[in-house]
Amino acid sequence: NAGVMQNPRHLVRRRGQEARLRCSPMKGHSHVYWYRQLPEEGLKFMVYLQKENIIDESGMPKERFSAEFPKEGPSILRIQQVVRGDSAAYFCASSPSTGDSNQPQHFGDGTRLSIL
Amino acid sequence: GQQVMQIPQYQHVQEGEDFTTYCNSSTTLSNIQWYKQRPGGHPVFLIQLVKSGEVKKQKRLTFQFGEAKKNSSLHITATQTTDVGTYFCAGSNFGNEKLTFGTGTRLTIIP
Repeated sequence: NAGVMQNPRHLVRRRGQEARLRCSPMKGHSHVYWYRQLPEEGLKFMVYLQKENIIDESGMPKERFSAEFPKEGPSILRIQQVVRGDSAAYFCASSPSTGDSNQPQHFGDGTRLSIL
Repeated sequence: GQQVMQIPQYQHVQEGEDFTTYCNSSTTLSNIQWYKQRPGGHPVFLIQLVKSGEVKKQKRLTFQFGEAKKNSSLHITATQTTDVGTYFCAGSNFGNEKLTFGTGTRLTIIP
């Protein structure tokens, strides 16, 4: 059973370009979470999605960042007009849909985004 | 908003010594989870605690959930080099599947 798959593992962009990060949840999981981690820091919640719906985006910056989880295909975290401060590791996690909060989250290997 | 703090931020121990990290939430939690992240790796789920005062053990690891469900601790007995990494607690509130991660405790082992 494949785990959470994220790609690319490493992404380099120049300031002003767009970054697209992809996440395929574990088989049978319909909940996807995106986190951002700066070096030597903890995980900061960004957004929680279910298929075709954004459930909680309270951690997403109001501008330049967007996320989607379409009916078909992976979840996408999109960062437009990247700036140096966007450099970080972005982790995706998934959990099964059981209707309660008592589910562990399974993490992907992350995408290390570097902005030149 | 909810805040989850952990202490200490860093801990260096001799191999064989014990290690404890403490987690404190600003709000009452419905459950708490613990994760371990190796250097350069991703967080890996260790355990979940749900009941007030609950204690769970995994080999040399002991996890506790406070009576008020606002704090938790992880204790490792006789540390080994494989225990190296950052330990995060993560809590959620009732009716909310969003996890708030603690600030983490980074454990290094001196052989």
